[in-house]
Amino acid sequence: SAVISQKPSRDICQRGTSLTIQCQVDSQVTMMFWYRQQPGQSLTLIATANQGSEATYESGFVIDKFPISRPNLTFSTLTVSNMSPEDSSIYLCSVTKGLAGGTDTQYFGPGTRLTVL
Amino acid sequence: AQSVAQPEDQVNVAEGNPLTVKCTYSVSGNPYLFWYVQYPNRGLQFLLKYITGDNLVKGSYGFEAEFNKSQTSFHLKKPSALVSDSALYFCAVRDNVGSARQLTFGSGTQLTVLP
Repeated sequence: SAVISQKPSRDICQRGTSLTIQCQVDSQVTMMFWYRQQPGQSLTLIATANQGSEATYESGFVIDKFPISRPNLTFSTLTVSNMSPEDSSIYLCSVTKGLAGGTDTQYFGPGTRLTVL
Repeated sequence: AQSVAQPEDQVNVAEGNPLTVKCTYSVSGNPYLFWYVQYPNRGLQFLLKYITGDNLVKGSYGFEAEFNKSQTSFHLKKPSALVSDSALYFCAVRDNVGSARQLTFGSGTQLTVLP
């Protein structure tokens, strides 16, 4: 398994500002993912972050709004830029460790609960 | 494309009774199937997965799931529910075809176990 921590655990931000969320893993991982979970909803994948390359964004998400860094095999950041109330969500970091293709288990961090006023 | 459906938003069951949380899937190739649980204000915890082999998969906290290829289902079960099992449950699928490595999640089922 993997132990994942996220900072901050929660924040309340003003409209128009930006917040950077950190994800730290206790061991090296191959792939890192960022998800958004809006209140009472399922998880939506924002982007996949691989070390040493640009993040791959899903439809509806763009780099200018959600820039991502992956400087090494244990750390990633997601920035939510120019926030609006619609960005209020839980943001979850997720990782896979192996190279076994689609059989890998994805492990999740505890999430960052963001409220935008 | 891969997709997963959880037809029930809410499942209520009495403590001590068996529970079932339903999940059906659609993939191009063979499915890799996962169940996760989310407690309030927490991230997702992995319960179990089906990759290949025995259709009955056993996981954490006494949960199990049965893979049924003909019905494209992967229902989560537990013989005797506990009040502490009350949480939000997500089914997820990954196709073994193509290069995509990410999971696709269902909409979630809120399980409430009544004392």
